[in-house]
Parts: sequence; C-alpha cells; structure tokens
Amino acid sequence: DGGITQSPKYLFRKEGQNVTLSCEQNLNHDAMYWYRQDPGQGLRLIYYSQIVNDFQKGDIAEGYSVSREKKESFPLTVTSAQKNPTAFYLCASSNRVRQPQHFGDGTRLSIL
Amino acid sequence: GQQLNQSPQSMFIQEGEDVSMNCTSSSIFNTWLWYKQDPGEGPVLLIALYKAGELTSNGRLTAQFGITRKDSFLNISASIPSDVGIYFCAGQNSGGSNYKLTFGKGTLLTVNP
Repeated sequence: DGGITQSPKYLFRKEGQNVTLSCEQNLNHDAMYWYRQDPGQGLRLIYYSQIVNDFQKGDIAEGYSVSREKKESFPLTVTSAQKNPTAFYLCASSNRVRQPQHFGDGTRLSIL
Repeated sequence: GQQLNQSPQSMFIQEGEDVSMNCTSSSIFNTWLWYKQDPGEGPVLLIALYKAGELTSNGRLTAQFGITRKDSFLNISASIPSDVGIYFCAGQNSGGSNYKLTFGKGTLLTVNP
C-alpha cells in the first residue's frame, strides 16, 4: 500500500540527548514536511523540503535539524537545544503545488 | 505570519444533528483543505477546495471556499459517533514553488450516541 510511515510510534528522550524520528514515503511525492502538534495549538511547521538535498526552515525550526538525501526519506533530529521537545510529531508529503498534503500517523516524543 | 481563526473550538452534539464549523483568515488563500484527526493518529484529508465559491461534498460532508477567498466552512449532516475527532482547516497560497500550509487550531467534535 502507498503511504507515509513514521517510526517509532513512541520515543523517549533523556536530558542532553539527540533523537531522530524517521519518515518514509512510497507515494513518489516531491515535497515532504515536518509538523509539531501541541494540545490546543494546531499544527506548526518545523521544516520542509521540496526536492532532494534541499530543505527550508518552517515557523519553529530552532532546536531541530533535517536531511533529505533520498526522495522517499526525510528524517527529523530533535537536538538537545530543543528545550521543550514533548509533543506529537507529524510528517507529511505532497506531489506538486496545490496538491494536498498527506500525513503519517505520527511519533509521540516524551522526556524521561 | 498568516493567521487562521477556526471556530468553534469544540462542539458537543447529539447523534443525528447537523454540524457546522468555519475558518477565517486575515489574508487570502487559493486553496482550502479540511482534515479530520482521530486520537493518536495523523490527520486525514476530507475535502480539498481550489476555486473561490466552490462547494464540494464528500458523503455527509460539505465544504465551501468563500467568495472572498478568506474563509471556508465545513458542514456535517446527520452526525454519527464515528464523526468524533478534531477537524482542521488549512489554507495554502501556492505562489511559485510554495507548498506551505497554514492550519487552524482545530474544532473538537464530540457526538453523544
């Protein structure tokens, strides 16, 4: 089945630790996105990538990093510089401009 | 940045009732999208609107792209328990290669059987 796979479903981070969230899509979409969701806040854009080897900061990029070495993969690293990492992280992808974004099932990150 | 005001924040209704929610923006969009999110899962696309004035249905759901391009509404008719979830609107201004979406904060819908 075509879709977006995020892993792991749940992740725990220790103080000072970097953690990486995986996002893979087999929809052959050009663009991929990372969002952060907090209760009552809606979805806020962290980073997005329109093509391989290129990405742009979204509205809340501080404390996060990404890479786009392959079209189907867009991993997100939550660094120790992100002081409030507890949230639900959603990955999305889309084909071309004006095509809707489709979402994975999310990763819930918590602090130990 | 652009702001989307989505209302109401929450609704508690009886099964069988109709539901209406809307989003307004301080600036225009050329695409409006409506998503539904179940607890612990990612949002699922319900309806996409691409033209001002467009009215589109998907089963019991109907959404409209406002004439001013600054608003959109979603109606759900004859609600059922599985309609429970959070509904998000999202607007997009796709100029050039801009793919970015702006999301509302969501409407939490509870349906009492």
